[in-house]
Amino acid sequence: KNEVEQSPQNLTAQEGEFITINCSYSVGISALHWLQQHPGGGIVSLFMLSSGKKKHGRLIATINIQEKHSSLHITASHPRDSAVYICAVKERGNEKLTFGTGTRLTIIP
Amino acid sequence: NAGVTQTPKFQVLKTGQSMTLQCAQDMNHNSMYWYRQDPGMGLRLIYYSASEGTTDKGEVPNGYNVSRLNKREFSLRLESAAPSQTSVYFCASNHRVNEQFFGPGTRLTVL
Repeated sequence: KNEVEQSPQNLTAQEGEFITINCSYSVGISALHWLQQHPGGGIVSLFMLSSGKKKHGRLIATINIQEKHSSLHITASHPRDSAVYICAVKERGNEKLTFGTGTRLTIIP
Repeated sequence: NAGVTQTPKFQVLKTGQSMTLQCAQDMNHNSMYWYRQDPGMGLRLIYYSASEGTTDKGEVPNGYNVSRLNKREFSLRLESAAPSQTSVYFCASNHRVNEQFFGPGTRLTVL
């Protein structure tokens, strides 16, 4: 069974700090997703990647397929980045996603 | 485009009552999913539908039934609600291997 582990579970930082959230998984995958869930509850897809690196504004996602590891970075963090960040992976040949338990990020002004 | 819509947003049931959660998407996606989210746990798949007319069990299907009424709509039914089904329910959809789009969620409490 695929296990998806995220670290840290909780992270509090000052506005402007560089943030890194990590995700490790145990089986071969076809894609990895990073999702954001705001306090209101809605879930939004940030990135889907299968290799290398993607960047969108202040957010950067990287993946190392050999090491079964991905990171989500936030540069110049802002209080509006406060949310739960969720990693999810899609195993090869499988429609379904397996989700991590999320990292709760709080950015203090 | 409304994306993925869910109704209701909130619901309180008594043990043994039944209800149906509705989900619709207007993005012409083939695949639709129902998840539940519980504190301290990742989203868990209840049922999914890879295309109109097909449904498959996910990780936690017991106590639930689904209907893929047409390409747009995918409903989740609780026939006899139990307190263990208190959760936040999310519907999602996607096209083939692309990103999933999530609905706003339904917060269900079973007393």
